[in-house]
Amino acid sequence: HLQESGPGLLKPSETLSVTCIVSDDSSSHINYYWAWIRQSPGKGLEWIGSLYFGESPRYNPSLKSRVTLSEVTSKKQISLRMTSVTASDTGVYYCARHPSFGATGEGFDYWGQGTHVSVSS
Amino acid sequence: SYDLTQPPSVSVSPGQTATITCSGDTLGSKYVSWYQQKPGQSPVLVIFLDTKRPSGIPERFSGSNSAITATLTISGTQALDEADYFCQAWDGRTYVFGTGTKLTVL
Repeated sequence: HLQESGPGLLKPSETLSVTCIVSDDSSSHINYYWAWIRQSPGKGLEWIGSLYFGESPRYNPSLKSRVTLSEVTSKKQISLRMTSVTASDTGVYYCARHPSFGATGEGFDYWGQGTHVSVSS
Repeated sequence: SYDLTQPPSVSVSPGQTATITCSGDTLGSKYVSWYQQKPGQSPVLVIFLDTKRPSGIPERFSGSNSAITATLTISGTQALDEADYFCQAWDGRTYVFGTGTKLTVL
């Protein structure tokens, strides 16, 4: 079970912070990649970046300059920070699990319910 | 940037076969996954590695991938299959999602 949380409403130029908590009874979360993916009416689904506990995050090059992914292993928590938001950053932000990274083709097999983010003045 | 193009909408009668395509340059050389998304819900993985179904996905869902087109086929389509469907691949730098297809079961 993945549960995202976020601020809901932001103003342009502010910093977005959203968090995902992985709820399970094991430590299996350290064996998977955890991605942030957003969905907006204008851009559809967009991969933001992925994180593997203990490794450097991987980012979408188009967002890399504004995005930071981080983890708190003991809390099974993955966080996304995005600076200088604009209206085009409005959408639903999902965290999702994937077993491996890159061209391996295994897909995103578990998704959270998503957290709605709206950027408006 | 790498683009994956899907038809905006596909309609099918109950019990018939629905075919949803996803086109991209040299797509056949990449692995494709497919997701189902119902209104107000998160996407659900229905096909990965071009042709494989995750546990719990009905056998009526199948996939193929060749040349520049990947295809999601739903045999014996049911009303509960009405949803948006997205394809996804890795382009070497990013995970890319298709434009999405709304499947209507009439």
